Amino acid sequence: AQSVAQPEDQVNVAEGNPLTVKCTYSVSGNPYLFWYVQYPNRGLQFLLKYITGDNLVKGSYGFEAEFNKSQTSFHLKKPSALVSDSALYFCAVRAPISGAGSYQLTFGKGTKLSVIP
Amino acid sequence: DADVTQTPRNRITKTGKRIMLECSQTKGHDRMYWYRQDPGLGLRLIYYSFDVKDINKGEISDGYSVSRQAQAKFSLSLESAIPNQTALYFCATSDPDLSYEQYFGPGTRLTVT
Repeated sequence: AQSVAQPEDQVNVAEGNPLTVKCTYSVSGNPYLFWYVQYPNRGLQFLLKYITGDNLVKGSYGFEAEFNKSQTSFHLKKPSALVSDSALYFCAVRAPISGAGSYQLTFGKGTKLSVIP
Repeated sequence: DADVTQTPRNRITKTGKRIMLECSQTKGHDRMYWYRQDPGLGLRLIYYSFDVKDINKGEISDGYSVSRQAQAKFSLSLESAIPNQTALYFCATSDPDLSYEQYFGPGTRLTVT
């Protein structure tokens, strides 16, 4: 079954420092991978996705993610963290729906990012 | 206006009551989804619909039902609410031509007492 894992429940980083939020995946075939962000009292917002091509994917709000096939990872990164980046981050993978000939998204459990002023 | 809207945004109800959560979208997508979010568990799929006539159960459908009234509207019902259905509920839409990227509503916070 297709799945993603986010090994850290919480990540703390100082404002201005680089940040990394980790995600590993387990899929059969080529992975379609996504990152979403959830700000307090808001729905999930799409940040970026990897389908194919360049292993470094650039997304919204200055975020990027690095696809690493050998390590089955898709870590989210930002060179310089802002306090406003504090939120809940979800990694997701496209997964087939059994018997339906289509796909859904399967989400990780989320990582809470806190950027400290 | 937001592309995906949910009503109500917050609801407190009592055990045994029937409650309906509504979702509307203006993105023109055929595919719609209902998820629940619980702390430490991420998002879990309750039901999904690929068009008005195609409705399917997700991984945690017990205790829930849905209705797809139109392409733009997808409602989630709790026939007899119980306390462990207290959660944050999200509606989402997707377009398969966009690699199944999903667009989420703002959520409904439901408390069952």
